[in-house]
Amino acid sequence: KAGVTQTPRYLIKTRGQQVTLSCSPISGHRSVSWYQQTPGQGLQFLFEYFSETQRNKGNFPGRFSGRQFSNSRSEMNVSTLELGDSALYLCASSLWSSGRAYEQFFGPGTRLTVL
Amino acid sequence: KNQVEQSPQSLIILEGKNCTLQCNYTVSPFSNLRWYKQDTGRGPVSLTIMTFSENTKSNGRYTATLDADTKQSSLHITASQLSDSASYICVVSANSGNTPLVFGKGTRLSVIA
Repeated sequence: KAGVTQTPRYLIKTRGQQVTLSCSPISGHRSVSWYQQTPGQGLQFLFEYFSETQRNKGNFPGRFSGRQFSNSRSEMNVSTLELGDSALYLCASSLWSSGRAYEQFFGPGTRLTVL
Repeated sequence: KNQVEQSPQSLIILEGKNCTLQCNYTVSPFSNLRWYKQDTGRGPVSLTIMTFSENTKSNGRYTATLDADTKQSSLHITASQLSDSASYICVVSANSGNTPLVFGKGTRLSVIA
């Protein structure tokens, strides 16, 4: 079974630009979550999607947005990039239920550098 | 404020030795607690998930304990191997399901020969 894939793996942008990252979940997984990881803050939850609907959202500004397609693939977008947005962006997929916790499977991440 | 604190920040042990990593949390309401292993440059890999009613859970040489009364968890690694060198992250969920999740900063473990 193929794992979670993320593209691109590395990205360099300049301040003010926008970026779109892509995530393909494990086949059969309909929940996709996004996380930001930085050396100073560690892992932080961005948002979770299930059935094309955002189910939960972390404490990030509106410049961070996402969406999920009918095939469960997900994208996240960051507009008006700032230097502080430089981070490893991780996507995780899992089965989903409002009443139980399932194991999350993480992708390798996209390393975003903002210059 | 929901927080997860891990200790120590870093740890160096000899191959074959045991070690224990600590996690204290103030997340409320509590739903579940997870331990992840993250190798450098890779995404985290789930080791265990424990709910309120579970005290101990094992995954091979990894054993996690949970004391929901004191809001503490530990991850014990037995007979360490060089491949155990990684960051170990404790994560607590405040609601049922996967999110929202509160992450610890991790313990960086180095196993040396």
